[in-house]
Amino acid sequence: AAGVIQSPRHLIKEKRETATLKCYPIPRHDTVYWYQQGPGQDPQFLISFYEKMQSDKGSIPDRFSAQQFSDYHSELNMSSLELGDSALYFCASSLFRGDRIAWPYEQYFGPGTRLTVT
Amino acid sequence: GIQVEQSPPDLILQEGANSTLRCNFSDSVNNLQWFHQNPWGQLINLFYIPSGTKQNGRLSATTVATERYSLLYISSSQTTDSGVYFCAVERSVKGAQKLVFGQGTRLTINP
Repeated sequence: AAGVIQSPRHLIKEKRETATLKCYPIPRHDTVYWYQQGPGQDPQFLISFYEKMQSDKGSIPDRFSAQQFSDYHSELNMSSLELGDSALYFCASSLFRGDRIAWPYEQYFGPGTRLTVT
Repeated sequence: GIQVEQSPPDLILQEGANSTLRCNFSDSVNNLQWFHQNPWGQLINLFYIPSGTKQNGRLSATTVATERYSLLYISSSQTTDSGVYFCAVERSVKGAQKLVFGQGTRLTINP
């Protein structure tokens, strides 16, 4: 079965540079989520999109922005990178259909992008 | 926000042993998932289990929603079971929203 695809898998950037992470959800899934996992920590929610509209927002820095495109893929843009941004970034997708009561919407995670800021 | 606590934080076992991992959550939830994060960092879905009991091979899980806890059972452990096990819950009032993760249980299976 098709899974969530993330690219690139590894990324090395210097401080103050920008980075763009891409996520391709499982086909027919309509919701995309982004999570950040620092070393030794649990994943923390950043932002989510349902049908190309932002649906929820966590502790995402103002330096970060994201969007979901017409083909449902999503991109996380990170500017003015800091050493503390070094982390594993996960994208997840689910099929929500706008009816959370009637439909189980298990989230499936991609393999992650490991970002290192030097 | 909702709190998720996992226990024990660390568990070291010999191959072939059985284990029980616990997840307590502070409020009612719509979604509860168990994940295994392998040494390469990948998060692997184990169970989607907001209530009830499920089994998949050597793994099984039970969620008692009314008492706000979930248990993950691993039987006949293998070295490949090593890694971090996360419980994550979702509690939304509208829309499909974020998963809140526990701190994880680090499981080490020695040969």
